[in-house]
Amino acid sequence: DIQMTQSPASLSVSVGETVTITCRASENIYSNLAWYQQKQGKSPQLLVYAATNLADGVPSRFSGSGSGTQYSLKINSLQSEDFGSYYCQHFWGTPWTFGGGTKLEIK
Amino acid sequence: QVQLQQSGAELMKPGASVKISCKATGYTFSSYWIEWVKQRPGHGLEWIGEILPGSGSTNYNEKFKGKATFTADTSSNTAYMQLSSLTSEDSAVYYCARKGGYYRYDGFAYWGQGTLVTVSA
Repeated sequence: DIQMTQSPASLSVSVGETVTITCRASENIYSNLAWYQQKQGKSPQLLVYAATNLADGVPSRFSGSGSGTQYSLKINSLQSEDFGSYYCQHFWGTPWTFGGGTKLEIK
Repeated sequence: QVQLQQSGAELMKPGASVKISCKATGYTFSSYWIEWVKQRPGHGLEWIGEILPGSGSTNYNEKFKGKATFTADTSSNTAYMQLSSLTSEDSAVYYCARKGGYYRYDGFAYWGQGTLVTVSA
């Protein structure tokens, strides 16, 4: 199985700052990667698919990048509604594993 | 619009089985895989597997083979996941989800609201 290592596990950031979350795959996943945001008690919400494509309705302050085994989710000018947990997930061969998650706290 | 509506919370005894439903509306149910995801506090998200309702084809995460069984009823546009021989390790929120498109790299764009399964004597 492909392992997805996500970092950091948690971070506390002020409104207006920029945040980068990274996800490293145990082998090349050829940009078959998605990012999700999940708020407490809610279902995950798709942010980015195919490593760099924003899902419908996702604000442009979110962006995805990367290739091969290394991927990143960047949030520019953090807003208070961006708190929550973030997960990556690969789609290169089943099982489609998720990263361990990043809990983003707003200072 | 695409919606996935799941059945309500379940409280089960160890050793029992439970069947969770996921009713789909707003699209051609038979044409898209329905995905199932498990979430336990402190254990993140786990992909259990998927079913293509139109054909009944399934793919299971090896970890969940023998634990989860997927079925689908195209007459009611409802997918089901049965979990058997329940233990405390099966206590979790279970989600059904659907990809945004037909491609491998399309993420899970649509999610049900989740079904909490609690296994307790």
